[in-house]
Amino acid sequence: GENVEQHPSTLSVQEGDSAVIKCTYSDSASNYFPWYKQELGKGPQLIIDIRSNVGEKKDQRIAVTLNKTAKHFSLHITETQPEDSAVYFCAAVDQTGANNLFFGTGTRLTVIP
Amino acid sequence: GAGVSQSPSNKVTEKGKDVELRCDPISGHTALYWYRQSLGQGLEFLIYFQGNSAPDKSGLPSDRFSAERTGGSVSTLTIQRTQQEDSAVYLCASSPSFQETQYFGPGTRLLVL
Repeated sequence: GENVEQHPSTLSVQEGDSAVIKCTYSDSASNYFPWYKQELGKGPQLIIDIRSNVGEKKDQRIAVTLNKTAKHFSLHITETQPEDSAVYFCAAVDQTGANNLFFGTGTRLTVIP
Repeated sequence: GAGVSQSPSNKVTEKGKDVELRCDPISGHTALYWYRQSLGQGLEFLIYFQGNSAPDKSGLPSDRFSAERTGGSVSTLTIQRTQQEDSAVYLCASSPSFQETQYFGPGTRLLVL
């Protein structure tokens, strides 16, 4: 099955700086890579996703890049704000298969005002 | 519109008791998933339903866990003879159909004493 590794486990940045979270996956058949943000006491919320036919996707301050050859993908948050503080999870799935997501272990991001 | 809802939000039970957790997916979503999130761990897939097809139970950790989905909508996850290691947050997600983006509910926090 798929194995997703995520780094770092914790990340602290000053407000206004950028934050980068990296994930690697093992199954070359994986073709869909969502990122979720989870705030304390809440369920994960989808913030951005990318499919294997695209190398980069951007939505305002959030961007995701995908390197299929190296089997890694990254989340980039620019101009960080205190409300970006949360736990971020990457995930990977082969949507031609069972479609159940395989998650990384999460990154706790703290944005220091 | 309304998102995925789950009940109860919190559940405390004694070891050996049975518990039922409920999930109401987004209206019109045909695919429904259950995940488990243990303290400090990532999200672990348990089971998923797609329309009227037989569910994929490959992630259920033991035969004490079962789930059903009535009328293609509401789902119930049942844990029999609960153990302390069952303590976790149980998350439900739904998607418009197979192979589409999953949207999560707020979760049920289960504590087994």
